Amino acid sequence: AQSVSQHNHHVILSEAASLELGCNYSYGGTVNLFWYVQYPGQHLQLLLKYFSGDPLVKGIKGFEAEFIKSKFSFNLRKPSVQWSDTAEYFCAVIPLTGRRALTFGSGTRLQVQP
Amino acid sequence: KAGVTQTPRYLIKTRGQQVTLSCSPISGHRSVSWYQQTPGQGLQFLFEYFSETQRNKGNFPGRFSGRQFSNSRSEMNVSTLELGDSALYLCASSYSLGVDNSPLHFGNGTRLTVT
Repeated sequence: AQSVSQHNHHVILSEAASLELGCNYSYGGTVNLFWYVQYPGQHLQLLLKYFSGDPLVKGIKGFEAEFIKSKFSFNLRKPSVQWSDTAEYFCAVIPLTGRRALTFGSGTRLQVQP
Repeated sequence: KAGVTQTPRYLIKTRGQQVTLSCSPISGHRSVSWYQQTPGQGLQFLFEYFSETQRNKGNFPGRFSGRQFSNSRSEMNVSTLELGDSALYLCASSYSLGVDNSPLHFGNGTRLTVT
């Protein structure tokens, strides 16, 4: 079965700092990858996704993620965070074959201090 | 367009009881998925329904079941509740089957507390 690891459980940054959240997955086959975000008091929403092609994908609000196949990683980045980026971020994968269930990481809580 | 609606928002039940949660998807969406979110286990996939048929199932015991109606609304049932079933249950809808074909839209969840 596939699994997703997010090593940073809680990250605290000051505004304008750069962000990188780690995501590693374990699965022997091909997967599609996602980052979801949950802002305080709001529902989960899609931030960005990678299916194929350019391994550097851009999402909403200036976020981007890089897929490194050899490292089974899909790290989320943002050059300069804002207070409004305070949220919980979830990495998720779904295999292309077999049981097509979306598997989430445990989430990273990002707190941006003004 | 209204979002995914889950009812009730909060529920308190006693061990051994059963509970039914409801999810109304976005109009036009035919796929509904259910997830359990807990602090320890994070978000775990329960099952996915499309056109009234269960298409995918996670690794949960048979006490967890669901169904989907012809109007795409879905219900999830948990029988013989255990303390460990306390969680936020999230419903997500999408236009078509498979999260990669169309994006998931999540509801705000039903928080179930089992005492």
